[in-house]
Amino acid sequence: DGGITQSPKYLFRKEGQNVTLSCEQNLNHDAMYWYRQDPGQGLRLIYYSQIVNDFQKGDIAEGYSVSREKKESFPLTVTSAQKNPTAFYLCASSIGPFRLTNSGNTIYFGEGSWLTVV
Amino acid sequence: GQQLNQSPQSMFIQEGEDVSMNCTSSSIFNTWLWYKQDPGEGPVLLIALYKAGELTSNGRLTAQFGITRKDSFLNISASIPSDVGIYFCALRSNTGKLIFGQGTTLQVKP
Repeated sequence: DGGITQSPKYLFRKEGQNVTLSCEQNLNHDAMYWYRQDPGQGLRLIYYSQIVNDFQKGDIAEGYSVSREKKESFPLTVTSAQKNPTAFYLCASSIGPFRLTNSGNTIYFGEGSWLTVV
Repeated sequence: GQQLNQSPQSMFIQEGEDVSMNCTSSSIFNTWLWYKQDPGEGPVLLIALYKAGELTSNGRLTAQFGITRKDSFLNISASIPSDVGIYFCALRSNTGKLIFGQGTTLQVKP
C-alpha cells in the first residue's frame, strides 16, 4: 500500500543526545514536510523540501536539521541544541509545486512520532 | 504574514447534534483543506476544496469554499462519538508551505 511511514512511533532521548526520526514515502511525491505538535496545540512547520537535495527552514527550525538525499526519504534530526524537544512530530508529503495540479495542493501525513526527553 | 483563524477553539456537544466550524484567512488562496486528527495519530484528510463556491460532501461531512476565497466552513451532521478529535483547516501557499488553523477540539457526549 502507498503511504507515509514514520519511525519510531515512540522514542526516548537523554538530554544532550541527538536523535533522528525517519520518514519514508512511496507516493512518488516531490515535496515533504516536518511539523511539530505540542499537546493541545496546532501544527508548526520545522522544515520542508520541495525537491531532492533542497530544503527550506520553516517557522521553528532552530535545533533541528534535515537532509533530502532521496525523493522517498526526509529524515529529521533533533539536536541537543533544541531546548524543549519533547513533542509529537509529524511528517507529510505532497505532489509538489513542480507538478502542481489541484490534487498537488493536498498534503498527506504519516502517523507521527512521539519524542520524550528523559 | 499570512494568517488563518479557526473557530471555535473547542466544542462539547450531545450525540446527534450538528456541528459547524469555520476558518478565515487574511489572503486569497486556491485550495482549502480540512483534516481530522485522532489522539496520538497524524491528521487525515477529510475534504479538499479547489474552487470558490464549491460545496463538497463526504458522508455526514460537508465543507464549502467561500465565494471571497478567504473563508471555508465544515459541517458535521448527526454527530456520533467517533467524531471526537481535533479538526484543522489548512491552506497551501504558493511557496509550497501548508498553513494550519489553530484547530477545533470536538467532544461528543453519548
